[in-house]
Amino acid sequence: DTAVSQTPKYLVTQMGNDKSIKCEQNLGHDTMYWYKQDSKKFLKIMFSYNNKELIINETVPNRFSPKSPDKAHLNLHINSLELGDSAVYFCASSPYWGVGSGGDTDTQYFGPGTRLTVL
Amino acid sequence: GNSVTQMEGPVTLSEEAFLTINCTYTATGYPSLFWYVQYPGEGLQLLLKATKADDKGSNKGFEATYRKETTSFHLEKGSVQVSDSAVYFCALSDGNKLVFGAGTILRVKS
Repeated sequence: DTAVSQTPKYLVTQMGNDKSIKCEQNLGHDTMYWYKQDSKKFLKIMFSYNNKELIINETVPNRFSPKSPDKAHLNLHINSLELGDSAVYFCASSPYWGVGSGGDTDTQYFGPGTRLTVL
Repeated sequence: GNSVTQMEGPVTLSEEAFLTINCTYTATGYPSLFWYVQYPGEGLQLLLKATKADDKGSNKGFEATYRKETTSFHLEKGSVQVSDSAVYFCALSDGNKLVFGAGTILRVKS
């Protein structure tokens, strides 16, 4: 009964390849996110989807393309992988997209992460 | 834009020592504030949160108070354990994304 799950946990690939990371949440949340954690542990938002609609795209190269087939899933596809893409990618979800809603709506729940290594 | 600044680590303490990890923020409006913890090899877990000024978040012996006047949200614990060794992230809500500090590594020795 994992709340936010990601697959795979580890991904090792060559430069130039295309790869996907999958994320699923069973919390019934409306909003999902992708974050990137670099080698210095710094975390930065990449994308956010609310009910399958793209809400946030933080100047991420267009080699990265998120896809949300339904509100419980948010996948991340990366084309033409580069060395600099090596990082840990975290998926997260939160109950609701709405500023000032109070309560638990802005609390985000994170998946276990996918460590991507590009050789 | 909104930002979070955390004290640099690593912080190394002996078991049962008192812990403070400083966190200050810059924000327009009144964001919610969070502490997340990342244990070795794991994802982020919410440790505690506070949604308005003077709120105190607490969990597992950790606590932090939302101080608007000093724009701070320092994390404290009275007596740390070896099992508290982890990376601690301070964060604020900016619209509907989280803005994180750089993280502080905590190492607790027995």
